[in-house]
Amino acid sequence: QQQVKQSPQSLIVQKGGISIINCAYENTAFDYFPWYQQFPGKGPALLIAIRPDVSEKKEGRFTISFNKSAKQFSLHIMDSQPGDSATYFCAAIRAAGNKLTFGGGTRVLVKP
Amino acid sequence: DAMVIQNPRYQVTQFGKPVTLSCSQTLNHNVMYWYQQKSSQAPKLLFHYYDKDFNNEADTPDNFQSRRPNTSFCFLDIRSPGLGDAAMYLCATSREGGPLSYEQYFGPGTRLTVT
Repeated sequence: QQQVKQSPQSLIVQKGGISIINCAYENTAFDYFPWYQQFPGKGPALLIAIRPDVSEKKEGRFTISFNKSAKQFSLHIMDSQPGDSATYFCAAIRAAGNKLTFGGGTRVLVKP
Repeated sequence: DAMVIQNPRYQVTQFGKPVTLSCSQTLNHNVMYWYQQKSSQAPKLLFHYYDKDFNNEADTPDNFQSRRPNTSFCFLDIRSPGLGDAAMYLCATSREGGPLSYEQYFGPGTRLTVT
């Protein structure tokens, strides 16, 4: 059972554009919602994370928007750059657990 | 720099020949994880250690075993690799368990090929 659904699977955006990735979850016991960025041949790296009592969090060009009632959250990459080309995974973690539940991933390609 | 190190980066083994992958960390984190990642898929958790407490995922095949002899090192043993075990194996750490374990530090991975 996939508890975190992520869309789209891939997207192409022009340099300077906005990349938007959406995730939906089912388990209301999730306590943190991180996003990981993974470049080819590398391990994932934590990008940004949000708690469900916060509606938005911004770090540089990356913003998470969180809608608790809809059980959805999204990542916005503003002013997308070719160096942002990577696979992005949303995830969720329960307060009582030690493990991440990942979404399926979105491959982002930023064209110069 | 504090980090998660995986050796080797690339491993080729024969069908059925046991193989061991290693992970070390200089972060002094309590929790260590092993993930399997196949092409175009999300990492799949195999098991994790909270200190010396081993936690196996229900769907992890018995073919996969792990050892954590001390805080810094963790090993993944694949007793009889099959062709379906070819994947990237990722080691990760987190400072503590519970909800703050959302912050995981991943190593670069070991790419396993089974011939």
